[in-house]
Amino acid sequence: RKEVEQDPGPFNVPEGATVAFNCTYSNSASQSFFWYRQDCRKEPKLLMSVYSSGNEDGRFTAQLNRASQYISLLIRDSKLSDSATYLCVVNEGRRALTFGSGTRLQVQP
Amino acid sequence: SQTIHQWPATLVQPVGSPLSLECTVEGTSNPNLYWYRQAAGRGLQLLFYSVGIGQISSEVPQNLSASRPQDRQFILSSKKLLLSDSGFYLCAWTLNGEISQYFGPGTRLTVL
Repeated sequence: RKEVEQDPGPFNVPEGATVAFNCTYSNSASQSFFWYRQDCRKEPKLLMSVYSSGNEDGRFTAQLNRASQYISLLIRDSKLSDSATYLCVVNEGRRALTFGSGTRLQVQP
Repeated sequence: SQTIHQWPATLVQPVGSPLSLECTVEGTSNPNLYWYRQAAGRGLQLLFYSVGIGQISSEVPQNLSASRPQDRQFILSSKKLLLSDSGFYLCAWTLNGEISQYFGPGTRLTVL
């Protein structure tokens, strides 16, 4: 079983749509959670941390469900520029992070 | 502000040749440094991390090695490349005590 699992997609949505991605993690002792964004052939960039109470940054909302061990990312009012691969990332209490394989989003005009 | 550099940006090497990739961080001191590899269409695989000069932890046994000769310099090496070494090599840094990591622009390696 993978430590961090994501639906690879692609999610094809029209501009203005709301789209949600889920991610599950296997280690119940995981302590910190993040979403990164990776554009094609570029490095991953930190999008947002995920807090237990849920958090919002503009059109992006992240949620954490520790009981079910899943993390979600909601994007409202999708823009063409949101097209990218979204990586779910977990810290299991070690120095290194564990990355999911990513969910690809394609926003269409 | 902190910046992270990697070079070269792209590299094409024959099987059996040596490899040296360099990563440097500016604007901070005593960072934790990481090497990841991303194969085509796959997730990031942690290769090595370092918490200080000369301190290297290896996550995956393979024909690669890493060194940290200076505080803000991290080098990934191989004596003999394999076809399976092809991929996108990413260096990342974080401050001691912090969790989120910041990536360099990466080196795209093709082994032929």
